[in-house]
Amino acid sequence: AQSVSQHNHHVILSEAASLELGCNYSYGGTVNLFWYVQYPGQHLQLLLKYFSGDPLVKGIKGFEAEFIKSKFSFNLRKPSVQWSDTAEYFCAVKANFGNEKLTFGTGTRLTIIP
Amino acid sequence: DSGVTQTPKHLITATGQRVTLRCSPRSGDLSVYWYQQSLDQGLQFLIQYYNGEERAKGNILERFSAQQFPDLHSELNLSSLELGDSALYFCASSVVGGFTDTQYFGPGTRLTVL
Repeated sequence: AQSVSQHNHHVILSEAASLELGCNYSYGGTVNLFWYVQYPGQHLQLLLKYFSGDPLVKGIKGFEAEFIKSKFSFNLRKPSVQWSDTAEYFCAVKANFGNEKLTFGTGTRLTIIP
Repeated sequence: DSGVTQTPKHLITATGQRVTLRCSPRSGDLSVYWYQQSLDQGLQFLIQYYNGEERAKGNILERFSAQQFPDLHSELNLSSLELGDSALYFCASSVVGGFTDTQYFGPGTRLTVL
């Protein structure tokens, strides 16, 4: 069964700082990878996704992520964060075998200080 | 707004009771997923329906059941409720539920069991 690890549980940054949130997955086969964001009191929103092709994917709100197959990683980046990026970020993986469920990491809480 | 709707937003009930959560998928989506988000378990996949048929089961308790109706809305029934069932319950939908599908999440129902 696949699993996802997000090692940063809580990240605190100042506005304009650069962001990188780690995500590692374990699954030997083909995967689809996702980053979702959950703003306080709101539902999960899709930030970006990787299915195939260019391993550097760009999402909404200036976020991007790079899929490194050899490292089983899909780290999320943003060059300059804003206060409005304060939220919880979830990495998720969908394996190409079995059902189509998403397996989520435990999430990283991001706090941006103005 | 993802286009997925869930009712009610909040539900407060007592142990031993039964509740029904409702989800309407995005227009055109045939597949519906239910997830549970709790502090100790994180985001866990419960069950998936596709065009009225159960397609996959995850960590769903026997006290929980779900169905998808001909109009494609879905209901999650939780019975003999326990304190530990208190959580956010999310519904997601996708077009057909395949490997390359993206799941879009609803706003969730917050269940509090007292």
